[in-house]
Amino acid sequence: GAVVSQHPSWVICKSGTSVKIECRSLDFQATTMFWYRQFPKQSLMLMATSNEGSKATYEQGVEKDKFLINHASLTLSTLTVTSAHPEDSSFYICSAQGEVSPLHFGNGTRLTVT
Amino acid sequence: GNSVTQMEGPVTLSEEAFLTINCTYTATGYPSLFWYVQYPGEGLQLLLKATKADDKGSNKGFEATYRKETTSFHLEKGSVQVSDSAVYFCALGGANTGNQFYFGTGTSLTVIP
Repeated sequence: GAVVSQHPSWVICKSGTSVKIECRSLDFQATTMFWYRQFPKQSLMLMATSNEGSKATYEQGVEKDKFLINHASLTLSTLTVTSAHPEDSSFYICSAQGEVSPLHFGNGTRLTVT
Repeated sequence: GNSVTQMEGPVTLSEEAFLTINCTYTATGYPSLFWYVQYPGEGLQLLLKATKADDKGSNKGFEATYRKETTSFHLEKGSVQVSDSAVYFCALGGANTGNQFYFGTGTSLTVIP
């Protein structure tokens, strides 16, 4: 079964609102979680890396104030898209890594901003 | 730096045809290589992987061999099925890259009956 659960799987929101996406490791402690973004017909681009209990490391060009990442526990990381705009519409995928477990991907969240 | 170059699609094949999706990479160090598959509306699923040179990853009839001399990890399947229709991503990553993955642009495969 799935070892990384991502929720919601899809969300539609109005421009200007904020959306929170959760990524949970179900049966292992995720010391590191990665957040990716996938544009239509393109590959996944790493947005940020988060380690439990510390601030996320953002890739160049990713606005940290717009994409808030919290990794408060060993089983949960959240990505909050603040003041979303239509250009933020995309497919967001998380992955999680434990100290002794392999990397697993969530099923992704499709965000549509109207 | 690390990067992955993957053949562009889309690829359309008839059922039972032979499939090859080319993938080459550049890397600092010795990463692991992966093929992921993404079915419509779903996330990534690991298809196969190889962790060192000359390793062959295989799963569900798909194979790929880690070729250090040609820096390649081409995906092959001898006889594709309609259910193989999906987008395939080549990637490098693993402990040598701090588990940061570098993906190719993906190749869309459609298999027609």
